[in-house]
Amino acid sequence: DIQMTQSPSSLSASVGDRVTITCRASQGIRSYLAWFQQKPGKAPKSLIYAASSLQSGVPSKFSGSGSGTDFTLTISSLQPEDFATYYCQQYNTYPLTFGQGTRLELK
Amino acid sequence: EVQLLESGGGLVQPGGSLRLSCAASGFTFHSYAMSWVRQAPGKGLEWVSGIGGNGGSIDYADSVKGRFTISRDNSKNTLYLQMNSLRAEDTAVYYCAKDDGKTYFLDYWGQGTLVTVSS
Repeated sequence: DIQMTQSPSSLSASVGDRVTITCRASQGIRSYLAWFQQKPGKAPKSLIYAASSLQSGVPSKFSGSGSGTDFTLTISSLQPEDFATYYCQQYNTYPLTFGQGTRLELK
Repeated sequence: EVQLLESGGGLVQPGGSLRLSCAASGFTFHSYAMSWVRQAPGKGLEWVSGIGGNGGSIDYADSVKGRFTISRDNSKNTLYLQMNSLRAEDTAVYYCAKDDGKTYFLDYWGQGTLVTVSS
């Protein structure tokens, strides 16, 4: 199975900040990488697919990059609604696997 | 509008069985692969199982292989997960999700149904 490792596990930031979360795959997954946002008690919401493509309706403050094994999610100009947990996921092969999550907290 | 509505969760004793359903609407159900993903309380996301649009191409996580069975009824636009020999560690919110029709990317998710395995 492909292991996905996110860092950091938690992150404190302020409104208006720009933050970056990284995700590393244990083997190459080309660009088959997605990012999800999850708020407490809610289902995950897809933000980015194919490593850098924005899902419909997602604001352009979210951006992704990378290919192969190393990926990043960047969120610019943080707003109160952006504080949540973020997961990366590889969908190159079954079993689909997720990173452990990054909890973004308000400083 | 894509809608996925899970049902069938509840409290079950260890060793028991439960069948989850996911009613789909707003898209051509048989054209999309579907997956079940779960989340234990306070934990991260774990993919459980996936099934192709025509009911073929089935796969499972090792943690549920031999105990869970995924299936679908395209005439009813419904996805199922039959869970047998349930264990305490199967306690989680179970989400169904659809893929994007081209890859395994899970673009839409349901709101989830809670399964609690406890005596």
